[in-house]
Amino acid sequence: AQKVTQAQTEISVVEKEDVTLDCVYETRDTTYYLFWYKQPPSGELVFLIRRNSFDEQNEISGRYSWNFQKSTSSFNFTITASQVVDSAVYFCSLTSGSARQLTFGSGTQLTVLP
Amino acid sequence: GAVVSQHPSRVICKSGTSVKIECRSLDFQATTMFWYRQFPKQSLMLMATSNEGSKATYEQGVEKDKFLINHASLTLSTLTVTSAHPEDSSFYICSASPGLAGALINEQFFGPGTRLTVL
Repeated sequence: AQKVTQAQTEISVVEKEDVTLDCVYETRDTTYYLFWYKQPPSGELVFLIRRNSFDEQNEISGRYSWNFQKSTSSFNFTITASQVVDSAVYFCSLTSGSARQLTFGSGTQLTVLP
Repeated sequence: GAVVSQHPSRVICKSGTSVKIECRSLDFQATTMFWYRQFPKQSLMLMATSNEGSKATYEQGVEKDKFLINHASLTLSTLTVTSAHPEDSSFYICSASPGLAGALINEQFFGPGTRLTVL
């Protein structure tokens, strides 16, 4: 069985603050993929990043960065200098070779206030 | 590449009617398609997995006779909500996977979703 936990249900920050969204996962497989998606009010899932279990290198893309640590089974997402347009629900998800399904966390509602 | 469309994007229907939602992979062949349901302020819950040419596999608690899934071609899957009731009102999202031979993990590409409101 696989599981994704996003303990933060809602986060509210003021524009230009940095914010980190936590994600902890569980899987028995050694080969797996982790994802982050953004879901704005329109509802469409926006793909942000995919990370495979063999690549622990952290990644930065503009104001977004991801910290993957297998030792703590975490795949945290940081937004630097947040903007109002970053307001959305963010989902962390996991798929593995044996599960063949995508398991989603419960999501974190991020609100960035002007 | 890897674009998935859904039609309609929004539908309002009367209780007791049936609604069909289409999911298409536009630039790749999808051997597997997935249907999710998302209630307000909740996460996506997998309803069923369908492989082209075979019967869909439903998750526990999902009524097969109410949510009919057809995956007749490698680019099209349909979800029919039969005799819809207000409690079926939800956001339905499909995803498609290319099912590449030899791939350890096949990625899913998501459609934009269909918002169903049953009056």
